[in-house]
Amino acid sequence: EAQVTQNPRYLITVTGKKLTVTCSQNMNHEYMSWYRQDPGLGLRQIYYSMNVEVTDKGDVPEGYKVSRKEKRNFPLILESPSPNQTSLYFCASSLWGKGDEKLFFGSGTQLSVL
Amino acid sequence: GENVEQHPSTLSVQEGDSAVIKCTYSDSASNYFPWYKQELGKRPQLIIDIRSNVGEKKDQRIAVTLNKTAKHFSLHITETQPEDSAVYFCAASRFVSGYALNFGKGTSLLVTP
Repeated sequence: EAQVTQNPRYLITVTGKKLTVTCSQNMNHEYMSWYRQDPGLGLRQIYYSMNVEVTDKGDVPEGYKVSRKEKRNFPLILESPSPNQTSLYFCASSLWGKGDEKLFFGSGTQLSVL
Repeated sequence: GENVEQHPSTLSVQEGDSAVIKCTYSDSASNYFPWYKQELGKRPQLIIDIRSNVGEKKDQRIAVTLNKTAKHFSLHITETQPEDSAVYFCAASRFVSGYALNFGKGTSLLVTP
């Protein structure tokens, strides 16, 4: 089954404790992206990647890191999480720029930073 | 970067009525405009999209119109049903390589029986 898999679904952590949210897709998509969703603010793009080893900042990249060493994986790293990073995070992938820009979203990660 | 404004933020209609959600964008080079639907507790899903070389696109009860001159596009849902209740997001981008997809803040649509 074609899908984008995010882990974990829920995460509670404390300020300053490094964490990684994993994202993997099995559709051979070159484009992958991370969004955060906050009430009243919609979906805001954190980082995106057009291909392996190619990443670009979105609208809200501060406090986040990403890496794209393999086509299927695009982890989101919070080196020193802060409470303002409490949010619902979505990973997505697509055939962006190849004729089908439909985003396939993962099931989301609800992160709480205390 | 691209700025997408979406209105209204909430919309309540009676079953069977039509619903219209409007978005404006700032980057005149944007040429791809998708709409996503997010049901409560679920992930966003694409419901329709349009490219700048087309003025209107329809899929059953859903249609999207685009006015490039005014830089706005709209989602039209006819004969609304309770299952249309969800949050709808518009977005805009240049769909060539290297450009981000920017979403509006969303419209919460409630269809009452």
